[in-house]
Amino acid sequence: KAGVTQTPRYLIKTRGQQVTLSCSPISGHRSVSWYQQTPGQGLQFLFEYFSETQRNKGNFPGRFSGRQFSNSRSEMNVSTLELGDSALYLCASSSVRDGEQFFGPGTRLTVL
Amino acid sequence: SQQGEEDPQALSIQEGENATMNCSYKTSINNLQWYRQNSGRGLVHLILIRSNEREKHSGRLRVTLDTSKKSSSLLITASRAADTASYFCATYTGTASKLTFGTGTRLQVTL
Repeated sequence: KAGVTQTPRYLIKTRGQQVTLSCSPISGHRSVSWYQQTPGQGLQFLFEYFSETQRNKGNFPGRFSGRQFSNSRSEMNVSTLELGDSALYLCASSSVRDGEQFFGPGTRLTVL
Repeated sequence: SQQGEEDPQALSIQEGENATMNCSYKTSINNLQWYRQNSGRGLVHLILIRSNEREKHSGRLRVTLDTSKKSSSLLITASRAADTASYFCATYTGTASKLTFGTGTRLQVTL
């Protein structure tokens, strides 16, 4: 099976812009989670989607949003970008609720 | 917020030696998982241990879990240079439906 894929791999934006990141889970996986990784805060949970429904949301401002499509692919959107949004954004998919999560390679976002 | 701490923060050993990393967490869990990350890339799942398990093995990896102390350890035996990476523990709690990561241990294995 193909692994989790994320696009784009690298992104440079300026403050105030918005960005959309995409994640394609492993075939058959219906749960997709998003994480933000920064040197200062480490790995932080953003949100989780299952069958197009957001099941859980982390402690991030409303500028961070996401959605999941019927084919389980997921997108996350960050509006009005701030310098502090520069991070590695990781997507993970899982076949069962409390099972292993398989991560994609991440999208490196730089906000200038 | 982080679920807990890992120690040491950094570990440097020579090839062939064993590496032990510890993870402590704060709340009751369904399972605890260990991941490896190479140089800011994606995370690779290593092993999952459930709350009713005490020890698990996978190749050169041995994981223990002590729920009474809310701690876990990852042992890598006969380390190789290719094991150089950051290692993270992550806990899964059923009510939260998410992984909560520790702070990570940076392992350097030298020839």
